Amino acid sequence: DVKVTQSSRYLVKRTGEKVFLECVQDMDHENMFWYRQDPGLGLRLIYFSYDVKMKEKGDIPEGYSVSREKKERFSLILESASTNQTSMYLCASSLLHLGLAGVHEQYFGPGTRLTVT
Amino acid sequence: RKEVEQDPGPFNVPEGATVAFNCTYSNSASQSFFWYRQDCRKEPKLLMSVYSSGNEDGRFTAQLNRASQYISLLIRDSKLSDSATYLCVVKPGGFKTIFGAGTRLFVKA
Repeated sequence: DVKVTQSSRYLVKRTGEKVFLECVQDMDHENMFWYRQDPGLGLRLIYFSYDVKMKEKGDIPEGYSVSREKKERFSLILESASTNQTSMYLCASSLLHLGLAGVHEQYFGPGTRLTVT
Repeated sequence: RKEVEQDPGPFNVPEGATVAFNCTYSNSASQSFFWYRQDCRKEPKLLMSVYSSGNEDGRFTAQLNRASQYISLLIRDSKLSDSATYLCVVKPGGFKTIFGAGTRLFVKA
């Protein structure tokens, strides 16, 4: 059974704080993703990584950075938290090769609801 | 225009009803299509992939119309447990995956 875990379910931080969100997967997946989910906007990709130490910007990378030092762990960093970063953050992982349609699946963690005050 | 658009609903249907959701996408070169399900306060999970020829999984049927650039999800004989948000997902190619904002479904007894 694939498991993606995130370090916190709920987090409250102050404006200007540096925030670390951790994600760990146990299925040896190559790809890992960070999304944020906001009402009416759906999931928006912040960053993804397809290998250790590799990262690619998603659609909304501004104000965020990531780190992938080990295959199973992908961290999202808010360098200086702002109130507009209050959101639900979801981490996901998947296999690298998509192969046939239907093979692809992203497995999500339970999410971290971050509030920045 | 959003890359993937869904009717947000909510759709309120009685048990046993048939309900259909549509999702339109803007990139005609999109390669792969999926429906994910997200329960309240839970993470999204893959419901089914959408094949060009259409596919069925029990009470669920997914269709793809490339000419009109939309995919659909049909749920027959709705159950209370089908209440959830259904996310349309489109992969234009490469790593990019685009999630729709979701359609909320409430099935009532």
